[in-house]
Amino acid sequence: NAGVMQNPRHLVRRRGQEARLRCSPMKGHSHVYWYRQLPEEGLKFMVYLQKENIIDESGMPKERFSAEFPKEGPSILRIQQVVRGDSAAYFCASSPDRGSYEQYFGPGTRLTVT
Amino acid sequence: GDSVTQMEGPVTLSEEAFLTINCTYTATGYPSLFWYVQYPGEGLQLLLKATKADDKGSNKGFEATYRKETTSFHLEKGSVQVSDSAVYFCALSDGVGGSQGNLIFGKGTKLSVKP
Repeated sequence: NAGVMQNPRHLVRRRGQEARLRCSPMKGHSHVYWYRQLPEEGLKFMVYLQKENIIDESGMPKERFSAEFPKEGPSILRIQQVVRGDSAAYFCASSPDRGSYEQYFGPGTRLTVT
Repeated sequence: GDSVTQMEGPVTLSEEAFLTINCTYTATGYPSLFWYVQYPGEGLQLLLKATKADDKGSNKGFEATYRKETTSFHLEKGSVQVSDSAVYFCALSDGVGGSQGNLIFGKGTKLSVKP
């Protein structure tokens, strides 16, 4: 059973470009969480999605950031018009159901904005 | 809101030394508590968990006990190895409560074990 997959593992973007990060949850998991890890910091929750629904986006910046989890395909975290402060590691986690306390993390996407 | 505070690192130990990493939490409900480990360049791996008071989570020689009276979940290992060098994160989840299972992390403690 493959684990949580994220791609790309490393992404370099110039200021003003768009960054698109992908996450494929573990097989059988329909709940996806996105977290951001800034240098020397812990992970901060961004958004929680189920298939075709955003359940909680309380940790997502109000502008430039969006997320989706379509019926088919991976979850996508999109950052428009990136700025240097967006440079961070972005981790995706999945769980089998809403009541599960365990989340399984992907290897992360390290975004560098130049 | 809910929060997690863990001891700041870095922590440097010699092989076979005893390890303690302190973690305390603030939560309105009855959270589940976790320790995650992050090896260099990798994602987080669940190390151990405890879902109710007085539960002890254990894995790979690491242990942590959920202490409701002191709101703590300290990580311990009797004899560390070089391969334990990593960043350790304490986290909580209040499950179906307000955060709907989102994990709240401490800032992480970097452990370096010297041969």
